[in-house]
Amino acid sequence: GIQVEQSPPDLILQEGANSTLRCNFSDSVNNLQWFHQNPWGQLINLFYIPSGTKQNGRLSATTVATERYSLLYISSSQTTDSGVYFCAVYSGGSQGNLIFGKGTKLSVKP
Amino acid sequence: DAGVIQSPRHEVTEMGQEVTLRCKPISGHDYLFWYRQTMMRGLELLIYFNNNVPIDDSGMPEDRFSAKMPNASFSTLKIQPSEPRDSAVYFCASSLGGAGKLFFGSGTQLSVL
Repeated sequence: GIQVEQSPPDLILQEGANSTLRCNFSDSVNNLQWFHQNPWGQLINLFYIPSGTKQNGRLSATTVATERYSLLYISSSQTTDSGVYFCAVYSGGSQGNLIFGKGTKLSVKP
Repeated sequence: DAGVIQSPRHEVTEMGQEVTLRCKPISGHDYLFWYRQTMMRGLELLIYFNNNVPIDDSGMPEDRFSAKMPNASFSTLKIQPSEPRDSAVYFCASSLGGAGKLFFGSGTQLSVL
């Protein structure tokens, strides 16, 4: 089946710094989604981004489907950005089976 | 919309007891998913429904687990009998379309003693 790899596994930032999280996938995908799991365990959908670039405030995401990767940019990080960031993909013909990466754990220090 | 609603938020039970987790999906969504999250295995898809019909239950760990969706606004995940290894956070999620944007509930933290 399709493999989803995220890097780095852990990231520590000082408040105000910028960061880039990466998601690589092993096969063509129908779409890709980014999620943030906050320290209280809530899973929030950040982006639904099968291709191209989207922006939402300080966060933006770019998916290059032909090269099988997606990037999540966090600018001017805040302590509330802490948590785990997951990317997840649907592969062709597997509707309903969203494959999750292992996540990047981000800690933003004040 | 209130989002995906799960209950209870926390459940502590003793080994051998029956546990029932509940979920109300976002109104209008036609897909409902049950996931389990543990430190060891991460997020695992247990089962999903389309228009109230179970489509894929290959992720259900064993016969002790069952799930139902009697109507478009309600689903249950039942564990009977429960075992300590079932301790995990169980998430319900819904989407419009099988590959649509996925929205998660707040999860149920289950502890089986």
